[in-house]
Amino acid sequence: EDQVTQSPEALRLQEGESSSLNCSYTVSGLRGLFWYRQDPGKGPEFLFTLYSAGEEKEKERLKATLTKKESFLHITAPKPEDSATYLCAVQAVGTNAGKSTFGDGTTLTVKP
Amino acid sequence: DAGVIQSPRHEVTEMGQEVTLRCKPISGHDYLFWYRQTMMRGLELLIYFNNNVPIDDSGMPEDRFSAKMPNASFSTLKIQPSEPRDSAVYFCASSPLGGQPQHFGDGTRLSIL
Repeated sequence: EDQVTQSPEALRLQEGESSSLNCSYTVSGLRGLFWYRQDPGKGPEFLFTLYSAGEEKEKERLKATLTKKESFLHITAPKPEDSATYLCAVQAVGTNAGKSTFGDGTTLTVKP
Repeated sequence: DAGVIQSPRHEVTEMGQEVTLRCKPISGHDYLFWYRQTMMRGLELLIYFNNNVPIDDSGMPEDRFSAKMPNASFSTLKIQPSEPRDSAVYFCASSPLGGQPQHFGDGTRLSIL
């Protein structure tokens, strides 16, 4: 069974204090790993797709990286508007296309 | 461009009543997903459709839950009869070929009293 574990559950940062969120996964074969951002009262919003170990994607202050066992979401010099819950999901090779397993998320709070 | 549209945004009803949640996916997307999100269990996939056909309903908690997709523009999730433990936020998502990335609606917050 595919498993996704995100850590920490919650992270509080001061504005400008860089850090990383972790997503550890167990799948029989990785088809893709996806990062989403969820704001209170909203649905998750897609951020990145990573397909193979060594791949990196960047968007503004966020950078996602991937190894064979985990992914990191690096946040550089965060701002209060980066406060949100960040979800990681994996899609395995051979599963019904579209079926993804989500982690429980990391809730990030950035204080001004 | 319009995203995934869900209705109602909030629903409060009494135990035993029938509840119907509605979703309009993004035009041209082949996949439609129904999720349930709670603090205890996180985001759970209930069922998903490909080209209007249900592919995997293994996440549907019990027979009280049913979902339909009569055409490419509309889907419903029905709970009958509803119970307090069904209280959660229900999300609909759609995606193009391949099933990812998924585009989520803003959810229906369901409270069963």
